[in-house]
Parts: sequence; C-alpha cells; structure tokens
Amino acid sequence: KQEVTQIPAALSVPEGENLVLNCSFTDSAIYNLQWFRQDPGKGLTSLLLIQSSQREQTSGRLNASLDKSSGRSTLYIAASQPGDSATYLCAVRPVVGGSQGNLIFGKGTKLSVKP
Amino acid sequence: DGGITQSPKYLFRKEGQNVTLSCEQNLNHDAMYWYRQDPGQGLRLIYYSQIVNDFQKGDIAEGYSVSREKKESFPLTVTSAQKNPTAFYLCASSDQYTDTQYFGPGTRLTVL
Repeated sequence: KQEVTQIPAALSVPEGENLVLNCSFTDSAIYNLQWFRQDPGKGLTSLLLIQSSQREQTSGRLNASLDKSSGRSTLYIAASQPGDSATYLCAVRPVVGGSQGNLIFGKGTKLSVKP
Repeated sequence: DGGITQSPKYLFRKEGQNVTLSCEQNLNHDAMYWYRQDPGQGLRLIYYSQIVNDFQKGDIAEGYSVSREKKESFPLTVTSAQKNPTAFYLCASSDQYTDTQYFGPGTRLTVL
C-alpha cells in the first residue's frame, strides 16, 4: 500500500533563507506527484505538479524535484519570506491495477518564516 | 470569478442529527471529491464522482452519503451513523487535462 511521509513535521527558519521540504513515498509506481500549500483554516492551493516522466518543475521561487526510483521529492523555496508561512502537503497519484488511483496525501510540513 | 464554494464555513450538529455540507463549482470540471482532514493527519478521501449521476466510495465512506445530480454540485451528508464526525471537510474538483485539484475553503463541522 502506498504511503507518503513528510519530514520534518514542522520547520522554522529566518527570513531570506533557502530551504528544502522533503516528501517520500513507498511505491515508485506513480502517475504524478503534487505539492500543495494550506494556510490555517483554509483549503489547499496547488503549487506544482510533476508527471512521473519529469524530473522537476519550477514556479517563481519554488522548485520541485522528483526521483521516482528512490521514492523522493523535494520542494525548494528560495529566499523565504514571512508570507511563505503555511503547511505544505505532498500527494502522489498511484498506479492502481494499470489505472490512475486517487491522490494519497502526506501529513504535511508546517513552515514558519520569522521576520 | 471561477472557483469552488463550500457552505457553511462552520457547522454545529447535535449527536443523532444528519447534516449536509454544500459544494459548488463553476470550473466546468467533471470530477469532484470530498476529503476529511483531522489535526495532524493527511487528507483522507470520503467519496468522489467522475461524472454526473455516478460516484464511488473512497477510503472512509462509512457514515457518509453523497449525490451528483448536477455537474456543478456535489453535496455531502454526514449521517448519525458517522461515529466521530468532528473534522474539517474539504471539497475539490479536478481538471481532466492537467490533473490539478482545486480545493474549496472548507467546512468545519463540530458535534456538540
């Protein structure tokens, strides 16, 4: 059964620092991997989606990489800002019986960027 | 202004009552989903629908019911059979071409 793990559960950094959030998954048979942001008491916002055939995706100060064979993805945030403070969730869409399964989410990493 | 709306934002229920959470989208997406989020937990899938008049159970469907009579609407009913319904409920829809999921703002349900 596919499991998604995000370590650490919480991270606090000073403003301006570059940082990396980690996501690991147990089964390399995936269609894609997605990173989301969630502000307190709000819904999720999609940040980046990486197809299984891709190695990375970039959007502004965000860069997500995917190493499917090792079951790992990282979200790199450059020059962090207090506005980046939120919980970041990783989710994989597994291959199930040759078809797309439903998204499986990690528990998230709560990021706090101190001014 | 396209998006997903959920109502109400906060909902209080007495034990033994059924309640219905609303989810509406104007993104013209075929697929819609209901997730439950508990503190410190990842999202868990309750039900999903890939087309009007059709829906499937997710991982934790017991005690919940849904309907999909219109493309833009996917209401969730939390029945009295759900033993621990206090949670944050999130509705989402997805674009079949990009597979990106778009989420509503959520409904926080509390059982008194």
